[in-house]
Amino acid sequence: SSELTQDPAVSVALGQTVRITCQGDSLRNYYASWYQQKPGQAPVLVIYGTNKRPSGIPDRLSGSNSGNTASLTITGAQAEDEADYYCNSRDSSGYRWVFGGGTKLTVL
Amino acid sequence: EVQLVESGGGLVQPGGSLRLSCAASGFTVSSNYMSWVRQAPGKGLEWVSIIYSGGSTYHADSVKGRFTISRDNSKNTLFLQMSSLRAEDTAVYYCARVVISNTFGGLTYFDYWGQGTLVTVSS
Repeated sequence: SSELTQDPAVSVALGQTVRITCQGDSLRNYYASWYQQKPGQAPVLVIYGTNKRPSGIPDRLSGSNSGNTASLTITGAQAEDEADYYCNSRDSSGYRWVFGGGTKLTVL
Repeated sequence: EVQLVESGGGLVQPGGSLRLSCAASGFTVSSNYMSWVRQAPGKGLEWVSIIYSGGSTYHADSVKGRFTISRDNSKNTLFLQMSSLRAEDTAVYYCARVVISNTFGGLTYFDYWGQGTLVTVSS
């Protein structure tokens, strides 16, 4: 079983705001990073260090962290945001990494 | 431009072996942290292995003792040697560069990914 817990599926109306959460004890000590994956494609880093975006990632995606929970928020969701989203961090040992089970985002 | 290109996947029988390669360009593998991540069909991402720039290696419990991560500095290439393969090892295997902050040890992320190579373990 994964040490990072995500809701399996979330939906959002076009243009609205949605939050995807990731819970795990390791998040009290390690930053979460977030990855977007579209069908048939490799994952893409979208958020790291809680709320930093790589070049090219739109600023409607943002991250936050509180205690053992990391969140990815999409403000003004667009059709192209429909994808699977995964969180990741080091596990409690510090020498291994773990991914959340993933959240399938549907934009209605 | 950073690029990662995996190869070596294919069909292998249970109990068999396979070696995956990940050719890197645009940066030096030996100066970075490199990892393998896999994804079983229709499932989520699973971290597999990491090799530190200093050479230390770590593996997920699910593959420990069966998989070995390594690199060839002269070829700027990462490898994953897989043995005693099982049906549950069937997955797309991605290589990725890992950033581990020297300043903030808790800050790590996978910034570049290859397109993946499919490994199918079946008789």
